[in-house]
Amino acid sequence: GQQLNQSPQSMFIQEGEDVSMNCTSSSIFNTWLWYKQDPGEGPVLLIALYKAGELTSNGRLTAQFGITRKDSFLNISASIPSDVGIYFCAGYQSGATNKLIFGTGTLLAVQP
Amino acid sequence: DSGVTQTPKHLITATGQRVTLRCSPRSGDLSVYWYQQSLDQGLQFLIQYYNGEERAKGNILERFSAQQFPDLHSELNLSSLELGDSALYFCASSVGTAEGDEQYFGPGTRLTVT
Repeated sequence: GQQLNQSPQSMFIQEGEDVSMNCTSSSIFNTWLWYKQDPGEGPVLLIALYKAGELTSNGRLTAQFGITRKDSFLNISASIPSDVGIYFCAGYQSGATNKLIFGTGTLLAVQP
Repeated sequence: DSGVTQTPKHLITATGQRVTLRCSPRSGDLSVYWYQQSLDQGLQFLIQYYNGEERAKGNILERFSAQQFPDLHSELNLSSLELGDSALYFCASSVGTAEGDEQYFGPGTRLTVT
């Protein structure tokens, strides 16, 4: 099945560091969603983006909808141990608004 | 807690068997989506129902079927199970009336086929 390219695949950081991850596609997307998933649990919606260039924050998380509409970025500032998990980008392609396509995921590990 | 509920949490069954997974959407949501998550394929969209009608299909096998009932809960039926069907199955729901809806996921059902 189709997946979005997400990078990096994994990150191992110290508590307090800032984190950046991105999601890219060869196709245009109308909506970008960012999720966090803990092991054995369902993905939890963090941020939703609807317009090219849009920058949206949720606490220490900030996400951006890329100008080309083919990418999106997520930043986490001042990471804490509970930020550990897998972060997924997901998007609706232009013309296929019922099918949410997920990225390959970024595993984040935070050392206290 | 997303408000989406799924049962059972875990399911262990043998090859060739049939199972039914159940999902109740968030209050007020009309759309229900089913996803399969495996290690090698990631999260894959299977099927969407909106207010009882099938709305979109993804990579759903012919051995799998789903339906949404008048009370808006949904069931995913998996038959003639194979070892490769072992995965986490998630249900998500959304309001369903706009393009690019935010989807809220349930806790999932872990299916193990032995």
